[in-house]
Amino acid sequence: GESVGLHLPTLSVQEGDNSIINCAYSNSASDYFIWYKQESGKGPQFIIDIRSNMDKRQGQRVTVLLNKTVKHLSLQIAATQPGDSAVYFCAETPSYFGNEKLTFGTGTRLTIIP
Amino acid sequence: DGGITQSPKYLFRKEGQNVTLSCEQNLNHDAMYWYRQDPGQGLRLIYYSQIVNDFQKGDIAEGYSVSREKKESFPLTVTSAQKNPTAFYLCASRSGGSYGYTFGSGTRLTVV
Repeated sequence: GESVGLHLPTLSVQEGDNSIINCAYSNSASDYFIWYKQESGKGPQFIIDIRSNMDKRQGQRVTVLLNKTVKHLSLQIAATQPGDSAVYFCAETPSYFGNEKLTFGTGTRLTIIP
Repeated sequence: DGGITQSPKYLFRKEGQNVTLSCEQNLNHDAMYWYRQDPGQGLRLIYYSQIVNDFQKGDIAEGYSVSREKKESFPLTVTSAQKNPTAFYLCASRSGGSYGYTFGSGTRLTVV
């Protein structure tokens, strides 16, 4: 079946620096992508999403980039803070409006160094 | 406030026992999901329900059972047939027509 994977399982970044978390997906039919943040012992929280008809979307301190040519998704976090330390998951689905399930990646643990 | 509530937060199970994890949402969401998360791994889908009185198996349904008698509730039973039940269990819900998954805070199940 299709899978969503992450390049790096862990990432350490100095506080105040920018961080980039990467995600590769294999389903060329993927239409909708979401980034989630999961703090220790808690459920994942929605960060930002992007449809396949876009290549960039910005939120507050976060930017998601989508490269459909190479099936690659990235999450950029600007001016990282200690509260950004968490596991970040990407997820994808073939259909934004349909009943297709989300497929989650393994996750990247981001550690912010004070 | 609207949200999704999982209980208990921690649960201990003896070998051979069935246990039931609760998931309740007051978001009026149609679809609900159960995921299992093991250390250092992603979320694996156990069961999901798109509508009341209907549910489907996910990728790792063996040893689990669910019911969806009410829109608000989607309990998960971990049966004695599940040989390695120790994990973090997450429930999620979604409004029909969008992909805004809302997750509960999880139940950590440990076999003792």
